[in-house]
Amino acid sequence: KAGVTQTPRYLIKTRGQQVTLSCSPISGHRSVSWYQQTPGQGLQFLFEYFSETQRNKGNFPGRFSGRQFSNSRSEMNVSTLELGDSALYLCASSVYGTSREAPHFGPGTRLTVT
Amino acid sequence: SQELEQSPQSLIVQEGKNLTINCTSSKTLYGLYWYKQKYGEGLIFLMMLQKGGEEKSHEKITAKLDEKKQQSSLHITASQPSHAGIYLCGADIDQGGSEKLVFGKGTKLTVNP
Repeated sequence: KAGVTQTPRYLIKTRGQQVTLSCSPISGHRSVSWYQQTPGQGLQFLFEYFSETQRNKGNFPGRFSGRQFSNSRSEMNVSTLELGDSALYLCASSVYGTSREAPHFGPGTRLTVT
Repeated sequence: SQELEQSPQSLIVQEGKNLTINCTSSKTLYGLYWYKQKYGEGLIFLMMLQKGGEEKSHEKITAKLDEKKQQSSLHITASQPSHAGIYLCGADIDQGGSEKLVFGKGTKLTVNP
């Protein structure tokens, strides 16, 4: 099976712009979670989608949003980018998103905001 | 405060030495995961522990879960340069009736040849 894929791998944006990141989970996986990783805060949970519904949400401002499509692919959007949004954005997938499964991570998208 | 504390934050060892990384939770654990990350890349799954006292091994890496202490340890025997990277523990913790997957800040391991 192909692993979790994320596009693009690298992105440079200007403050105030918006950005959309994409994640394709492993075939058969219906749960997709998004994380932000920065040197200072580590890996922070953004949100989780299961069967096109947001099931959990972390403590991030409303500028961060996401969605999931019927084929389980997911996108996350960040509007009005700030310098502090520069980070590695990781998505992870699992079949059901329960505590009995280890999530599989993608390679990440490195976002730089200038 | 961090829900999962990892120690040490960084570790430099000589090739061939053994080492241990610890992960402690401030809340009830439902599942504990260990991942390895090369700088700027995705997380590679190592092991999952679910029951108290559970111990798993893969090649030279062993992980244990102490449910009572809400703690897990990752032990590497006879370290090699290929073991270098950032080790992260993740756990499903109780969050007011629901479960949330959280991660520690990671332990950066350097193995000198």
